[in-house]
Amino acid sequence: DTGVSQNPRHKITKRGQNVTFRCDPISEHNRLYWYRQTLGQGPEFLTYFQNEAQLEKSRLLSDRFSAERPKGSFSTLEIQRTEQGDSAMYLCASSLARNTYYGYTFGSGTRLTVV
Amino acid sequence: ILNVEQSPQSLHVQEGDSTNFTCSFPSSNFYALHWYRWETAKSPEALFVMTLNGDEKKKGRISATLNTKEGYSYLYIKGSQPEDSATYLCAFIRGGAQKLVFGQGTRLTINP
Repeated sequence: DTGVSQNPRHKITKRGQNVTFRCDPISEHNRLYWYRQTLGQGPEFLTYFQNEAQLEKSRLLSDRFSAERPKGSFSTLEIQRTEQGDSAMYLCASSLARNTYYGYTFGSGTRLTVV
Repeated sequence: ILNVEQSPQSLHVQEGDSTNFTCSFPSSNFYALHWYRWETAKSPEALFVMTLNGDEKKKGRISATLNTKEGYSYLYIKGSQPEDSATYLCAFIRGGAQKLVFGQGTRLTINP
């Protein structure tokens, strides 16, 4: 297992287009988190899954955003009708439940630029 | 609203010098505090997970302390090296919650 993998690394899209990102977590991790980071800010929580169940979703997430984790394995984050304000680094992380010893394992992120 | 504050926002340090920075978090309903190092173009990497008041953790030249009663944690780097240049993030989990809440980070640059 090579850690958390995110694809693509970079995405440039025109305003109004839909985009989808993928995250492959560490296989034995049952929790998967999505965060968004904009310039000068720390990562902001978007949503998390335990296995295939989406258990919490931030109020920051408008209804243009949707995330899935079919079969509790990889996850996708889709943004519909992208806006310039969606430009950010989208980070995925995984963990074993509330693991307090090792922290989260993060991917390298997908940098989205909306033009 | 849960506020996690880090200071300073950025720091330039001469190679070989020691440095430290601060993370402040709510002192009530504490569960855990995490520190991460995030180098450019890489993934954030977990440095420490701290759960007990008075915890002190060390990894090589980097160490951290935790005071849950007053709501702060310090990260120390001894004898800074160029490879220490990164953004250092702290993140807080309160009791009963399931997610990390991050500070805005401290961007550290080591000047050779």
